Amino acid sequence: DQQVKQNSPSLSVQEGRISILNCDYTNSMFDYFLWYKKYPAEGPTFLISISSIKDKNEDGRFTVFLNKSAKHLSLHIVPSQPGDSAVYFCAASASQGGSEKLVFGKGTKLTVNP
Amino acid sequence: DAGITQSPRHKVTETGTPVTLRCHQTENHRYMYWYRQDPGHGLRLIHYSYGVKDTDKGEVSDGYSVSRSKTEDFLLTLESATSSQTSVYFCATGGGLQETQYFGPGTRLLVL
Repeated sequence: DQQVKQNSPSLSVQEGRISILNCDYTNSMFDYFLWYKKYPAEGPTFLISISSIKDKNEDGRFTVFLNKSAKHLSLHIVPSQPGDSAVYFCAASASQGGSEKLVFGKGTKLTVNP
Repeated sequence: DAGITQSPRHKVTETGTPVTLRCHQTENHRYMYWYRQDPGHGLRLIHYSYGVKDTDKGEVSDGYSVSRSKTEDFLLTLESATSSQTSVYFCATGGGLQETQYFGPGTRLLVL
């Protein structure tokens, strides 16, 4: 049973526009969420995170929004750049029970066209 | 990032042979993880370690074993490789609860 879902396998946007990547989760115990970016033939790199006590976290061009009631989070990239083209993974963890494990979604491939 | 290296980076082996992948970190992180990445599955946790000689199973642990005799090294062993274990394997390290995990560059394994 998939606890973290990224329902869009791919997304294509024009350079300069906003990219919105979505992620849904089913486990109400999740209280910490992360986004990772992955280029081909490289390991995933951490992008941004958010704790469940917040509903928004911003870092430069990247903003993550969390809607706990809907069990939904989204990553906004503004403005999108060709270098943002990569696979983006959403991940979640639950601190109750002392779990240090992350559960990942299947990823969304973002293509930013010049 | 976080001083993580994986060896080998690429390996081709035959079904039934044992294979060991090594992860080495220089950040003194307590937690270390092994994931596999497959098309259509994202990243799935195989095993993880929360200290020297302390390990636990992840989501897809069947056919894999791990060992951690030193803080900096985490070994993943495929006792008898199968074609279904053809994958890209990533090691990650982190400090623990609600801490970011940092990933190594990956090992591409092909089992013929």
